[in-house]
Amino acid sequence: DTGVSQDPRHKITKRGQNVTFRCDPISEHNRLYWYRQTLGQGPEFLTYFQNEAQLEKSRLLSDRFSAERPKGSFSTLEIQRTEQGDSAMYLCAGRKGELTDTQYFGPGTRLTVL
Amino acid sequence: GESVGLHLPTLSVQEGDNSIINCAYSNSASDYFIWYKQESGKGPQFIIDIRSNMDKRQGQRVTVLLNKTVKHLSLQIAATQPGDSAVYFCAEKMGGGSEKLVFGKGTKLTVNP
Repeated sequence: DTGVSQDPRHKITKRGQNVTFRCDPISEHNRLYWYRQTLGQGPEFLTYFQNEAQLEKSRLLSDRFSAERPKGSFSTLEIQRTEQGDSAMYLCAGRKGELTDTQYFGPGTRLTVL
Repeated sequence: GESVGLHLPTLSVQEGDNSIINCAYSNSASDYFIWYKQESGKGPQFIIDIRSNMDKRQGQRVTVLLNKTVKHLSLQIAATQPGDSAVYFCAEKMGGGSEKLVFGKGTKLTVNP
């Protein structure tokens, strides 16, 4: 158990709806990452936070996607006006400080857009 | 371009045999590499990692080898067990200040009893 939790574990929504996912890392994870994984593929990087600052974003993160980490603890990922192509597993990972590069993943949120 | 690839998409071994999973990476500036195990419906689970200033690192039943000359990474699993059956991903950190991991497509390992 990595200590990283994600909620919900599954989300089914209709095209055009907005969805929000939450990630709760452990307190030592001052760095937090979001990835997206489609079936049969490896995870793809979306964005990265150091404490509350969003320091890196992928080109995959279109203007319909927004992520926040307001207090440097939990993070949310919102997708507006969902499309069928957004169907994927959304993974969150945490990393402890400066001494390690290891990212520890949560169980993911499976999104299905109908 | 950014890519971490694999030599084999699937690998089937007998219980007790040693397994070797290979990975090719493209960015010679990558400074960190990591292997994850992913079971169906779960998030990736950390196995072992290695920095670019090392050639080999050992863990419990697992060894990672890094060959920077040919940009090749491998994961060796000793005495493979049925519980090792999963998809294995290698990933590289590109360096140059980027924090993102770039993943390969994965190798599905099946361990036959």
